[in-house]
Amino acid sequence: DAGITQSPRHKVTETGTPVTLRCHQTENHRYMYWYRQDPGHGLRLIHYSYGVKDTDKGEVSDGYSVSRSKTEDFLLTLESATSSQTSVYFCAAGGDTDTQYFGPGTRLTVL
Amino acid sequence: DQQVKQNSPSLSVQEGRISILNCDYTNSMFDYFLWYKKYPAEGPTFLISISSIKDKNEDGRFTVFLNKSAKHLSLHIVPSQPGDSAVYFCAASALRGYKYIFGTGTRLKVLA
Repeated sequence: DAGITQSPRHKVTETGTPVTLRCHQTENHRYMYWYRQDPGHGLRLIHYSYGVKDTDKGEVSDGYSVSRSKTEDFLLTLESATSSQTSVYFCAAGGDTDTQYFGPGTRLTVL
Repeated sequence: DQQVKQNSPSLSVQEGRISILNCDYTNSMFDYFLWYKKYPAEGPTFLISISSIKDKNEDGRFTVFLNKSAKHLSLHIVPSQPGDSAVYFCAASALRGYKYIFGTGTRLKVLA
């Protein structure tokens, strides 16, 4: 996992509540990513960051926002969670090489 | 619109035989391709990569082949082992190390 941690690892929440997922890396990687994994869809990119305070949208960004105030932390926020956001969320980090290192994932259930 | 496609959701192979996992892409700007392996309840782990300047890359039992004209790549695992049973994702990007688009994955089961 190359020093990528995610918190929480599991969360159950109710529709309409805000949720923040945290990704922390210890290897000073420049790029960080948030993906969601759903059956039949594989891994879909939500948002990514190419530096502190530099972020951009991925394939499925609606309903999500991100922030990166420090190199090591990348936060994903669901402002008002919906049932369609029930998923497994993966954070990844990498540099200018081929490899992205993934965290262990966060399983989010929105009731 | 899926830019990276893995059309076989699952594959079963006998131990010791070859496993071939396929991946197709639609964006001709993609020049960098990765394969990841994922076990249940874990994050994906990097396996092997290839760039468009090559048509083949080997790493031990794993070989990736790239056919740019067909927009097709494949991962060969020889010989297959039970520990290879996992979900395999291919990913593609126009820029090395940046913003990869992933396929839907193929679940490989290697039978002992």
